[in-house]
Amino acid sequence: AQSVTQLDSQVPVFEEAPVELRCNYSSSVSVYLFWYVQYPNQGLQLLLKYLSGSTLVKGINGFEAEFNKSQTSFHLRKPSVHISDTAEYFCAVRKGETSGSRLTFGEGTQLTVNP
Amino acid sequence: NAGVMQNPRHLVRRRGQEARLRCSPMKGHSHVYWYRQLPEEGLKFMVYLQKENIIDESGMPKERFSAEFPKEGPSILRIQQVVRGDSAAYFCASSPGLAGGGTDTQYFGPGTRLTVL
Repeated sequence: AQSVTQLDSQVPVFEEAPVELRCNYSSSVSVYLFWYVQYPNQGLQLLLKYLSGSTLVKGINGFEAEFNKSQTSFHLRKPSVHISDTAEYFCAVRKGETSGSRLTFGEGTQLTVNP
Repeated sequence: NAGVMQNPRHLVRRRGQEARLRCSPMKGHSHVYWYRQLPEEGLKFMVYLQKENIIDESGMPKERFSAEFPKEGPSILRIQQVVRGDSAAYFCASSPGLAGGGTDTQYFGPGTRLTVL
């Protein structure tokens, strides 16, 4: 079984500041890792994913994440945030190299960007 | 290429009524997943289906909940005799499987927000 821990439930930052949203996972098998964003009253949109290869993954809207196998982490970063980045961010994991594997989500991090 | 479609977007039911939630996967996707998001919580897996088959329902409550994905038409999540604790957002995701060398990434619909009065 897999589990995901998002270490911060709320992250307030000022506009144009850098941000890091932390995610740690545990699994006894190889995994794929994902970050999704949820805007108020909307569905989840895929930001980026790590499947294999380079540990630094670039996604949409200027976000990137780094997979660290030894620390079992997959932290999300953005060098300069905008007001429009205010949303809930979910880290998720699933078994790698198989189909039909459920996603296990963290509890989410609410990012609030203030002017 | 339309995304995952869910309807209705909002559903209000009184205790004891039935709720039917529909999900049409993305074109070319044969795998459907249902997740539930309770207020102030993350998403929890409920059930995974392929056409005409339930593959994994280990996250589904044992009573009152059922799901299907018929050969023709959308996937349906059915909740009988709803209770206030069923109030939540229900999200459907679809994926293509590993056919063609893909990675089976799941894409989500906008969700159905169920309110039980």
